[in-house]
Amino acid sequence: DQQVKQNSPSLSVQEGRISILNCDYTNSMFDYFLWYKKYPAEGPTFLISISSIKDKNEDGRFTVFLNKSAKHLSLHIVPSQPGDSAVYFCAARTNAGGTSYGKLTFGQGTILTVHP
Amino acid sequence: GAGVSQSPRYKVAKRGQDVALRCDPISGHVSLFWYQQALGQGPEFLTYFQNEAQLDKSGLPSDRFFAERPEGSVSTLKIQRTQQEDSAVYLCASSPRLSYGYTFGSGTRLTVV
Repeated sequence: DQQVKQNSPSLSVQEGRISILNCDYTNSMFDYFLWYKKYPAEGPTFLISISSIKDKNEDGRFTVFLNKSAKHLSLHIVPSQPGDSAVYFCAARTNAGGTSYGKLTFGQGTILTVHP
Repeated sequence: GAGVSQSPRYKVAKRGQDVALRCDPISGHVSLFWYQQALGQGPEFLTYFQNEAQLDKSGLPSDRFFAERPEGSVSTLKIQRTQQEDSAVYLCASSPRLSYGYTFGSGTRLTVV
């Protein structure tokens, strides 16, 4: 039962272009969504997040879009840089069932490679 | 410390051996989480502590898995009688309160042979 899905295992982009990473979810009780970035041999690092009451959140080169009706979110990176090459995880949180402490459900991850 | 520290970084265990994985959260962080990340997958929730209280252990895969945080700071994840399917990276994360973007450690890679 994969409640958060990242259907693209990998993405390759040219430096300077836009990277778009996608994520779909099935649980309508999710109320907060996050993107994490992970380099090899390191733990995931928080990148950007969005509440379910918004449809867009922007932070520098990173923008997250949320389409609640489609249960879909995406992360846009523009312009992409070689240092952005990493694994990107989408994660979601639900406040249901008393789990208000921040338990996260992660997608499988997408490997982003930005070529110089 | 400046970040979440986990030790050991790598652990090779023979099948049936017991292992203990340590997590030093950021000082003062109330919330502590353990996640398991299998190869090619995203992290999966194991258990959650608020200070010394284990409030959710619903993700622990079997009764061979046990976690504790006796003084509300350092936490230990123990796996008894390890099996090959326990091979994974075990991630610890902490946060100062009920916030969302918590800080992960670098993980312990456990390989059961």
